[in-house]
Amino acid sequence: AQKITQTQPGMFVQEKEAVTLDCTYDTSDPSYGLFWYKQPSSGEMIFLIYQGSYDQQNATEGRYSLNFQKARKSANLVISASQLGDSAMYFCAMREGYSGANSKLTFGKGITLSVRP
Amino acid sequence: DVKVTQSSRYLVKRTGEKVFLECVQDMDHENMFWYRQDPGLGLRLIYFSYDVKMKEKGDIPEGYSVSREKKERFSLILESASTNQTSMYLCASSLAGPNSPLHFGNGTRLTVT
Repeated sequence: AQKITQTQPGMFVQEKEAVTLDCTYDTSDPSYGLFWYKQPSSGEMIFLIYQGSYDQQNATEGRYSLNFQKARKSANLVISASQLGDSAMYFCAMREGYSGANSKLTFGKGITLSVRP
Repeated sequence: DVKVTQSSRYLVKRTGEKVFLECVQDMDHENMFWYRQDPGLGLRLIYFSYDVKMKEKGDIPEGYSVSREKKERFSLILESASTNQTSMYLCASSLAGPNSPLHFGNGTRLTVT
């Protein structure tokens, strides 16, 4: 089974509107962390936001927030007030366990977001 | 700012050649990673290392090996390059710790002909 599932096809959003990018995950480890990355056409990978499995509140970073629903194993990224510069590929990733040999991040296949002016 | 430097941006090699991809980070990170990125497949982990001389297989280690003799340097080796190893290779590093994000290099676009 896939650890991280991102099944949305290319997403489109109007500038200044909010958009939600879906991510579901699969793990039996009670200790895990979820990450979102942005990859614009330039190719660089930009870290956006982190949510730990024991965090009581949803993570927020500026216009980015994470809708964390633990029972449903989903960690959707919400981008508010979309900007043209938000057009990019977005990846969800998970780290199971906390250290040493458990340090790896497993990535989903990504979602392409296009912001329309 | 963390800097992760990959030695080449573009590389063209012939089938059967031995290929070295080098990665250096300057922030004393414990963890280093090699991923390959292919359209429609996302990022797939090849190998990672959580300490000097320590290495762990990722999801697709076949055809690759790695070396980490110094903390700041993590090398990916293609023992005998094949055309199906044509891809974008991304190196990353992170501190130890559950909430430590990966910091990525700019990638090496490898073409094997």
